[in-house]
Amino acid sequence: DVKVTQSSRYLVKRTGEKVFLECVQDMDHENMFWYRQDPGLGLRLIYFSYDVKMKEKGDIPEGYSVSREKKERFSLILESASTNQTSMYLCASFPNLFDRANQPQHFGDGTRLSIL
Amino acid sequence: AQTVTQSQPEMSVQEAETVTLSCTYDTSENNYYLFWYKQPPSRQMILVIRQEAYKQQNATENRFSVNFQKAAKSFSLKISDSQLGDTAMYFCAFMSYNNNDMRFGAGTRLTVKP
Repeated sequence: DVKVTQSSRYLVKRTGEKVFLECVQDMDHENMFWYRQDPGLGLRLIYFSYDVKMKEKGDIPEGYSVSREKKERFSLILESASTNQTSMYLCASFPNLFDRANQPQHFGDGTRLSIL
Repeated sequence: AQTVTQSQPEMSVQEAETVTLSCTYDTSENNYYLFWYKQPPSRQMILVIRQEAYKQQNATENRFSVNFQKAAKSFSLKISDSQLGDTAMYFCAFMSYNNNDMRFGAGTRLTVKP
């Protein structure tokens, strides 16, 4: 069964720490995404990547960076964590356009991150 | 950028009855995809149903069906014969045909009551 795996289900960090959230997919998808989910706001796109070493800013990239050195792995980095980054973070991967009609998108189980 | 609006933050329905969740979106594109995702308390995002904009026929998956009104930019989800396991957050989402980013609505929390 295909999977998107996020490294942590729950994570607690302190203000000012550098935080890494890891996401790995085993479907050979080109596109990977990081979202944050907050009550009343739904899922908001932070960054996405459509190929190795490629990245695009989403709607709320401030305070975040990403890394995609290998096709299967997409990392979200909080350079200096702040309390307003306490949230649920979801990773997703999608195939390229020509596959999309036949292959569904997949999401990880989410990381609930608390910044104290 | 495209926007997706779900105007119902919370809804409830009695078991075995039918409920409709609303979604509207804004885009200038002609070709795109629309989705409904379900997120139960387990947090796993589950694709419920998908509609391609160029298809006029409304998508159906068992008890789930959509009413896609392209001109009105409306994409509602109908759940028939509601079951307790349908209790979840439901997100409407839009994906452009020409690029790969997806936009979500704020979600509707559906509770199915016994």
